[in-house]
Amino acid sequence: QVQLVQSGAEVKKPGSSVKVSCETSGDTFNNYAINWVRQAPGQGLEWMGGIIPVFGTTIYAQKLQGRVTLSAAKSTNTVYMEVTSLRSDDTAVYYCARGPPDLGAFDLWGQGTSVTVSS
Amino acid sequence: SYELTQPSSVSVSPGQTASITCSGGELGDRYASWYQLKPGQSPLLVIYQDSKRPSGIPERFSGSNSGNTATLTISGTQAMDEADYFCQAWDSSTAYVFGTGTKVTVL
Repeated sequence: QVQLVQSGAEVKKPGSSVKVSCETSGDTFNNYAINWVRQAPGQGLEWMGGIIPVFGTTIYAQKLQGRVTLSAAKSTNTVYMEVTSLRSDDTAVYYCARGPPDLGAFDLWGQGTSVTVSS
Repeated sequence: SYELTQPSSVSVSPGQTASITCSGGELGDRYASWYQLKPGQSPLLVIYQDSKRPSGIPERFSGSNSGNTATLTISGTQAMDEADYFCQAWDSSTAYVFGTGTKVTVL
């Protein structure tokens, strides 16, 4: 069964960085885009950015541009999302989600990674 | 930036029909998708490309999109359908955009 498996929960200090991983299958890595979406407590879903892993092509939400970096490692079929200069309002559950070409939607989601930013 | 607006809450009796709207400029010219989100779970795609259901999604979920409004309809609503629902669309300037979300309560 195809899955996206994310790394575990993180607790970070304000101003620090966090890097979350999303392990995919070879087929997903080579043929799909991987996007990142977060949900802060009591809030809605926010798209952060996406990457086509096989090419390394990225696109970011304007609001987060400059603080978010997406990358991919072909050797392990893993996609990474790093957020720098963390603030308390970055506290959220972060999801990776697969986007099939031309679907315009995300058909498979990781289990989510809780990131808490607190002093 | 492009925005999608949903009602904050919708209440429905078991067995009845729930309709959730999603409003955005010229939304009908874009593809709309819908996600179900239950506490402690990952989002689940229930409708894509306005009206298509992924494999495994019950037929009681249907969608439409025209003008400035997309609509998710749940026919014969069941208690298990109680969840938050988010619409989503693609915009060339802001890429993927999610709606504000609607809490569906089955009374």
